[in-house]
Amino acid sequence: SAVISQKPSRDICQRGTSLTIQCQVDSQVTMMFWYRQQPGQSLTLIATANQGSEATYESGFVIDKFPISRPNLTFSTLTVSNMSPEDSSIYLCSVEWSGGEQYFGPGTRLTVT
Amino acid sequence: GENVEQHPSTLSVQEGDSAVIKCTYSDSASNYFPWYKQELGKRPQLIIDIRSNVGEKKDQRIAVTLNKTAKHFSLHITETQPEDSAVYFCALSIQAGTALIFGKGTTLSVSS
Repeated sequence: SAVISQKPSRDICQRGTSLTIQCQVDSQVTMMFWYRQQPGQSLTLIATANQGSEATYESGFVIDKFPISRPNLTFSTLTVSNMSPEDSSIYLCSVEWSGGEQYFGPGTRLTVT
Repeated sequence: GENVEQHPSTLSVQEGDSAVIKCTYSDSASNYFPWYKQELGKRPQLIIDIRSNVGEKKDQRIAVTLNKTAKHFSLHITETQPEDSAVYFCALSIQAGTALIFGKGTTLSVSS
C-alpha cells in the first residue's frame, strides 16, 4: 500500500484565518480525495482532487471555502479559508491504490478558536 | 444520492465472542464494499473489502458477506480480542475512481 503523509498533524488557528494542509504520497496515484471527520462522527467527502484540473466538490462544500490544488500525481493541498469554530475537525486525505482500495493519510486535527 | 445505514451504533461483547455489524444500501450500482477500523486518534485502516461479484471473503478472524439482492453487507469478527475494540466503518463506492460513502460507524467494545 501507499505511504501517505500529511502536514501539519495538528494546528490551532484563530477564526478568520486560513490553513493549508498538505498531503504527500510516496507513489504516483490517479485519485486523491479529501474528507472531513468531525469529533465522534463518520467521514464526509469534501472533494475529489483531480490532477491538472479543478477539484470536484460534494454538495455543501465550495471552492471558495475549501480550495484544493493537485499539481502532480503525488501531492495535493486543501486550504480551509476564513475559518470559524465550526471548521474544527480532522481533515484526511485518501488515495486510491492500484487494486481500487483506498488508504488514508494520518489526518490533520484542526482547532479554530 | 447513495446512503449507507450501519447497525448497531454500539456493540459490547465478551472476549472470545463473535461480533457482527451490518450495513444496508440503496443503489444497486454500488460495487465495492470496504470496511475500516479506526482506533482512537488514528487514521481509518482498511481491514477487508469485497466486490459485487463475490459473496463472501475471509481473512483470518474477519469475514465480510455481501447480499446483492437484499442490498446489505456485513462484517463478522470471530474470537474477539480486546485489541479489536475500535470504531468500525462500512463504506461503498459506485465504481473504481470514485470516492467512498461511509456509514455512521459502530463502536465495538471487547471486554476481557
